[in-house]
Amino acid sequence: KQEVTQIPAALSVPEGENLVLNCSFTDSAIYNLQWFRQDPGKGLTSLLLIQSSQREQTSGRLNASLDKSSGRSTLYIAASQPGDSATYLCAVRGLYSGGGADGLTFGKGTHLIIQP
Amino acid sequence: GAGVSQSPSNKVTEKGKDVELRCDPISGHTALYWYRQRLGQGLEFLIYFQGNSAPDKSGLPSDRFSAERTGESVSTLTIQRTQQEDSAVYLCASSLGHFESNQPQHFGDGTRLSIL
Repeated sequence: KQEVTQIPAALSVPEGENLVLNCSFTDSAIYNLQWFRQDPGKGLTSLLLIQSSQREQTSGRLNASLDKSSGRSTLYIAASQPGDSATYLCAVRGLYSGGGADGLTFGKGTHLIIQP
Repeated sequence: GAGVSQSPSNKVTEKGKDVELRCDPISGHTALYWYRQRLGQGLEFLIYFQGNSAPDKSGLPSDRFSAERTGESVSTLTIQRTQQEDSAVYLCASSLGHFESNQPQHFGDGTRLSIL
C-alpha cells in the first residue's frame, strides 16, 4: 500500500527566503504526482503536476522535482511571501487500479508560515 | 461555474440520520472523485467515476456509504445511519479524464459534516 510522507510537518520562515518542502513515497509505480496548497476552511488548489516520465515542472516562483526511482519529490518556493502561508500537500496517483487505489494518496502536509 | 461546486458547505445532523452531499464538477470533466478529510488526518480517497460508472467501490469505508452520478455531471454521496466517526470534510474533485496522466484533479471547497 502506497504511503506518502511530508517533511517538515511545519515550517516558519521570514519573508523573502527560498525554501524546500519534501515529499517521499514508498511505491515508485506511480502515474503522476501533484502538489496542492490548502488554505484554512478551503478546498485544495492544484499547484503543479508531474507525470511519471518527467523530472520537474515550474510555475512562477514554484518548482517541483520528481525522482521516481528514489521515491522523492521536492517543492521549491523562491522569494517567499506572506501570501504563500498555507498547508502544502503532496499526492501521488498509483499505476494500479482497484482496491481503493484509483484516487490520489496524500501526505499529511507541511504547514507553512511566512513571517512578514 | 468555473470550478467544482459542492453543497451544502456545512451540514450538522443527528446520529442515525441520513445525509446527502452534492458535487457539481467542472463542465466537460468526465472523471469525478470523492475524498474524506478527518480532523488531524490526511485526505482519504473514497470513490471515483469515469463518466457515469464507478468501477471500484472498495474504497468506501462501509456499506452505509454510497455514491451515484447521473449524466456525467452531478454526483451525490449518501451516508445512511450516520455515526459520529463520519464527521469530516468531504471533498469532491474532477479532472478531464481518469486515464489522462497529465490532467490534474481540481477540488471543491468541501462539505463540512458534523454528526452530533
